[in-house]
Amino acid sequence: GQNIDQPTEMTATEGAIVQINCTYQTSGFNGLFWYQQHAGEAPTFLSYNVLDGLEEKGRFSSFLSRSKGYSYLLLKELQMKDSASYLCAVRDQRGGSYIPTFGRGTSLIVHP
Amino acid sequence: EAQVTQNPRYLITVTGKKLTVTCSQNMNHEYMSWYRQDPGLGLRQIYYSMNVEVTDKGDVPEGYKVSRKEKRNFPLILESPSPNQTSLYFCASGGPRGYEQYFGPGTRLTVT
Repeated sequence: GQNIDQPTEMTATEGAIVQINCTYQTSGFNGLFWYQQHAGEAPTFLSYNVLDGLEEKGRFSSFLSRSKGYSYLLLKELQMKDSASYLCAVRDQRGGSYIPTFGRGTSLIVHP
Repeated sequence: EAQVTQNPRYLITVTGKKLTVTCSQNMNHEYMSWYRQDPGLGLRQIYYSMNVEVTDKGDVPEGYKVSRKEKRNFPLILESPSPNQTSLYFCASGGPRGYEQYFGPGTRLTVT
């Protein structure tokens, strides 16, 4: 099985930078994902990391260290609309299939 | 417009009354899956399908059935719903790059 940990809640100020951490334990790692979910809506895909290092996409970046079982999502120039839950998910290879397991999500509150 | 649709969006039913939640995608994706989302537990995978006529259990399959007779459709069947199946359900399909998932809008189910 898998164990994925991320903080339950974080707060930050508009215009600032925030880093949301995710640690995981898995036996067949095959990629880590970050999704954004606004209240009452479906999750939307943000990023994917399968190799170590930083992936940058506009204001959002995601980092992965496979040896440490660690990832973070970095949000720059925070906007009020970034207030949402951020889900870390790890894809595990089980047999011939790839199964994603989601963390419980980090609720980010951005205030003026 | 590329999308995943689910119906119904909201459903209140009684214990034991069979129900089906439909899911359809128009992106020709091979991979489809069902999740339930509960407060404090995050997203948990119920069943997934790698292709037509190929389905497999996720982490919480008990009490659910699925079928994949056509590529675009992946219905979720609750033969005898119970109150512990009250939840928010999401259908998702896999993207062309093989890793990101596109989620439907969700179905909020209440079993009394």
